[in-house]
Amino acid sequence: GENVEQHPSTLSVQEGDSAVIKCTYSDSASNYFPWYKQELGKRPQLIIDIRSNVGEKKDQRIAVTLNKTAKHFSLHITETQPEDSAVYFCAASRGFQKLVFGTGTRLLVSP
Amino acid sequence: DTEVTQTPKHLVMGMTNKKSLKCEQHMGHRAMYWYKQKAKKPPELMFVYSYEKLSINESVPSRFSPECPNSSLLNLHLHALQPEDSALYLCASSQVLRRTGGPTDTQYFGPGTRLTVL
Repeated sequence: GENVEQHPSTLSVQEGDSAVIKCTYSDSASNYFPWYKQELGKRPQLIIDIRSNVGEKKDQRIAVTLNKTAKHFSLHITETQPEDSAVYFCAASRGFQKLVFGTGTRLLVSP
Repeated sequence: DTEVTQTPKHLVMGMTNKKSLKCEQHMGHRAMYWYKQKAKKPPELMFVYSYEKLSINESVPSRFSPECPNSSLLNLHLHALQPEDSALYLCASSQVLRRTGGPTDTQYFGPGTRLTVL
């Protein structure tokens, strides 16, 4: 079955810096890659997603890139703010409504 | 309405109790999900319902029994749980892009029920 690896497990940045989180997936048939943000005690919230027919997608300060050949995708956050501090999960799916999540990255943005 | 709601928010139960978790969405989504999330871990899929029929059971122990009474409601019945079943139980919903074998669409999560089994 699908396996998703996520790095780093913890990321500390200064406010205004950029943050990059990387995920690698194993199933070449995976075609949907969402990113979720989960604040402490809250629900996972979708922040951006990408499908395999697209190489890059951007939404304001957040972007996701996908390299199908290498089977990895990355989340880029620019101009980080303290409110970006949370746990970020990547996920991959080959369909059938089944998502497999990465292990999570704890992002800490210091003022 | 773009929310998935879950009740109760917190639940404490003994190992011999029977309780139920409830999830509701009014977004017209035809897929609904139960996930289990332990502290500092990602959500783990338990069950998927598509058009009110169980389509995925991730080898979940029978002490967890899902039910989808209609397209807006999803229940999880709990019986004879173990302390290691203590976790955050998340419900999610999504569109179904193709009735069989289609691509996965965006899943929207509820706030979860924090379950403690004594």
